[in-house]
Amino acid sequence: TQLLEQSPQFLSIQEGENLTVYCNSSSVFSSLQWYRQEPGEGPVLLVTVVTGGEVKKLKRLTFQFGDARKDSSLHITAAQPGDTGLYLCAGGSQGNLIFGKGTKLSVKP
Amino acid sequence: NAGVTQTPKFQVLKTGQSMTLQCAQDMNHEYMSWYRQDPGMGLRLIHYSVGAGITDQGEVPNGYNVSRSTTEDFPLRLLSAAPSQTSVYFCASRVTGRYGYTFGSGTRLTVV
Repeated sequence: TQLLEQSPQFLSIQEGENLTVYCNSSSVFSSLQWYRQEPGEGPVLLVTVVTGGEVKKLKRLTFQFGDARKDSSLHITAAQPGDTGLYLCAGGSQGNLIFGKGTKLSVKP
Repeated sequence: NAGVTQTPKFQVLKTGQSMTLQCAQDMNHEYMSWYRQDPGMGLRLIHYSVGAGITDQGEVPNGYNVSRSTTEDFPLRLLSAAPSQTSVYFCASRVTGRYGYTFGSGTRLTVV
């Protein structure tokens, strides 16, 4: 069974701080996606990475896919209250997605 | 485009009742899926479809049925609701060959 472990489970920081969340697995994935979910809404796709070692930047967010395609990280620079939400990683497996349990981020003004 | 539309947004059922959760997308996506989201469990795949007339089971299919008669619609049927089916249900779709999923806003179901 393929599993994605996310850490930390909860993160509470002050506005302006930097943070990194991690997504790890013992399995190789064909792609790795990151989603952000706000209360009462469905997940919204932030980025997809497909190549080992790939780094993608989305404004203050930096996503990295591990060389072996088993892990990924999300780094946020100078976090803002608008970054608050549940961050989910999801691995592509035979056309379907396997989700981690998420990192709940709270950014306080 | 409306994207992925789910109805109803909230529903309370009594144990043993049946109901259908509706999902429609207007993006001509071939691939559609249903997930449930429970605290501490993350999102788990219930059923999915790679195109009209084709469906398959995911990780937690028991107690649920699906059909896909059109590209646009992918309803999820609860045959005899149980308290264990209390959850938030999400429908998602994507284009075959692409990775990114578009999710609906969810249906919060409570079974009493």
